Amino acid sequence: GAGVSQSPSNKVTEKGKDVELRCDPISGHTALYWYRQSLGQGLEFLIYFQGNSAPDKSGLPSDRFSAERTGGSVSTLTIQRTQQEDSAVYLCASSSGVLPYEQYFGPGTRLTVT
Amino acid sequence: AQKITQTQPGMFVQEKEAVTLDCTYDTSDQSYGLFWYKQPSSGEMIFLIYQGSYDEQNATEGRYSLNFQKARKSANLVISASQLGDSAMYFCAMIPLGGSARQLTFGSGTQLTVLP
Repeated sequence: GAGVSQSPSNKVTEKGKDVELRCDPISGHTALYWYRQSLGQGLEFLIYFQGNSAPDKSGLPSDRFSAERTGGSVSTLTIQRTQQEDSAVYLCASSSGVLPYEQYFGPGTRLTVT
Repeated sequence: AQKITQTQPGMFVQEKEAVTLDCTYDTSDQSYGLFWYKQPSSGEMIFLIYQGSYDEQNATEGRYSLNFQKARKSANLVISASQLGDSAMYFCAMIPLGGSARQLTFGSGTQLTVLP
């Protein structure tokens, strides 16, 4: 079956513009995650959706970041008024929510803010 | 709060040799899971192996094994018979199993280079 897909694969934007990043999880996966990976760093958790529960937004770095998940499937991560420090690879992952909770990652969106 | 420490920024190993990548963790959770992921230069994160804190036996998946020492809070990855295709960044990660949180906490990674 299809894995996690993300679009666009690359995005270059000017400082101050808004961007939207899209994630299509594996069909049937109830859990969806967004992470950020800055150059040469590990992954930093941003937000987590599980079924119809309220999302865990504890990792969002500022109120310029928001995400939604429509119909329990596709998710969009929005960054408003982008800053240069937002430049990173944004990775989406999904999980069945069943032990051992392994997460399957998409290819990521490389965001460059100029 | 959870923390993962990977103290080896880079490692080299000769092809066909075994290599151990270190990972230590810190958590106040009684129940947790430990993962290793591989990230080749292409960027995708590939799940390798999982160990539950309640598992008494070390996890194995083909050439990968996880040397879990709970008292030392370590979860080292052992790759046997290294191959050139094993050259990649390797991340240790942890997930809490108590409560509802399920996000992964990652270490900073170890860049493994397999030499021919």
